[in-house]
Amino acid sequence: EPEVTQTPSHQVTQMGQEVILHCVPISNHLYFYWYRQILGQKVEFLVSFYNNEISEKSEIFDDQFSVERPDGSNFTLKIRSTKLEDSAMYFCASSLQNTGELFFGEGSRLTVL
Amino acid sequence: GENVEQHPSTLSVQEGDSAVIKCTYSDSASNYFPWYKQELGKRPQLIIDIRSNVGEKKDQRIAVTLNKTAKHFSLHITETQPEDSAVYFCAASKAAGNMLTFGGGTRLMVKP
Repeated sequence: EPEVTQTPSHQVTQMGQEVILHCVPISNHLYFYWYRQILGQKVEFLVSFYNNEISEKSEIFDDQFSVERPDGSNFTLKIRSTKLEDSAMYFCASSLQNTGELFFGEGSRLTVL
Repeated sequence: GENVEQHPSTLSVQEGDSAVIKCTYSDSASNYFPWYKQELGKRPQLIIDIRSNVGEKKDQRIAVTLNKTAKHFSLHITETQPEDSAVYFCAASKAAGNMLTFGGGTRLMVKP
């Protein structure tokens, strides 16, 4: 069964450093998303991406965040200057249509020290 | 924006009993309501969803009901088993693939 894959599974970084989280969505999917989950809390929407542009973003997704689809398979989330409060599990997700089920990756745990 | 409230935050049941988790939402334009199960350290996985044109949907031991007038929806799990133990999240959005707003989660513990 096809699935969304994410790397790295865990990244530890110093405050102020740039981090890039990588995702490979399911190959025929057209809609891509990033969500985050701070430990023990709810899953929060960050951004959705379709047709090579951001379609929606939340208040969390400020100027420190960016997304990119550099080629036909990868979808990345960049945090330019990490803060302690960016520590969370970041989930990538994809869907075939905007009326379809979201498939989540296993997540990338980011720890900012 | 949308706000989703979920209750209870923890629920402990005996194996074989039923479990009910309830959610309310604020945006009357929301019309897609999925439920996700998340095991410790794992990804959220869709277990059932409902769209606003139906009031109830069932899949084996799992059912979801939706009351659009009252803006609430519920997850019902019958004949619970220990492997049902997990955190369950409800969510709402204006369309199935759009931005999901999640509830706070319910930790379900099924005691053998």
